[in-house]
Amino acid sequence: GNSVTQMEGPVTLSEEAFLTINCTYTATGYPSLFWYVQYPGEGLQLLLKATKADDKGSNKGFEATYRKETTSFHLEKGSVQVSDSAVYFCALSGMDTGRRALTFGSGTRLQVQP
Amino acid sequence: DAGVIQSPRHEVTEMGQEVTLRCKPISGHDYLFWYRQTMMRGLELLIYFNNNVPIDDSGMPEDRFSAKMPNASFSTLKIQPSEPRDSAVYFCASSLGGKGVTEAFFGQGTRLTVV
Repeated sequence: GNSVTQMEGPVTLSEEAFLTINCTYTATGYPSLFWYVQYPGEGLQLLLKATKADDKGSNKGFEATYRKETTSFHLEKGSVQVSDSAVYFCALSGMDTGRRALTFGSGTRLQVQP
Repeated sequence: DAGVIQSPRHEVTEMGQEVTLRCKPISGHDYLFWYRQTMMRGLELLIYFNNNVPIDDSGMPEDRFSAKMPNASFSTLKIQPSEPRDSAVYFCASSLGGKGVTEAFFGQGTRLTVV
């Protein structure tokens, strides 16, 4: 079945540091890949997505590239801010009706210190 | 659009009581998902619907849990009887089908505490 593996957290960085959160996946076929972010007390919000190999998703300074050869979708940001402190989830979804539900990783908590 | 709307936001109930969680998906979306989030198990898919029909309910923990979608704009998740181990945040999400895969939009969740 489908699965997503994320690096363990928490990740603690100083403001303006470079961020990488690793994500690898196992899936049948060609899934779509997503990064969601969850701020305290809130639901999950889509951060970015990529639907085919070599696609790069980007939003709010965050980027991730769909690497089929390494089955990875690592999240990066060049300069983090305190406001980026949240939990980040990597997820995948298939295209068939029977595989539409998102499969999530365990989440990685990011703490950015001023 | 107001987004996915869940109610109530918080629910505290006693063990053995029936609990009903409600969800209104985004208008026009044809997929609806129920997830449960706990510290120990992360985000778990409970069940999802396509055009009001349950597609996969393999994540429903046991017979105490049931979900319905009587129409395109409303779904319920019921727990009867509730137990302390059901305490979690329950999320509803909806998405649009068709060609390609579109992202799921999440509600703000219902925090359930069973005492």
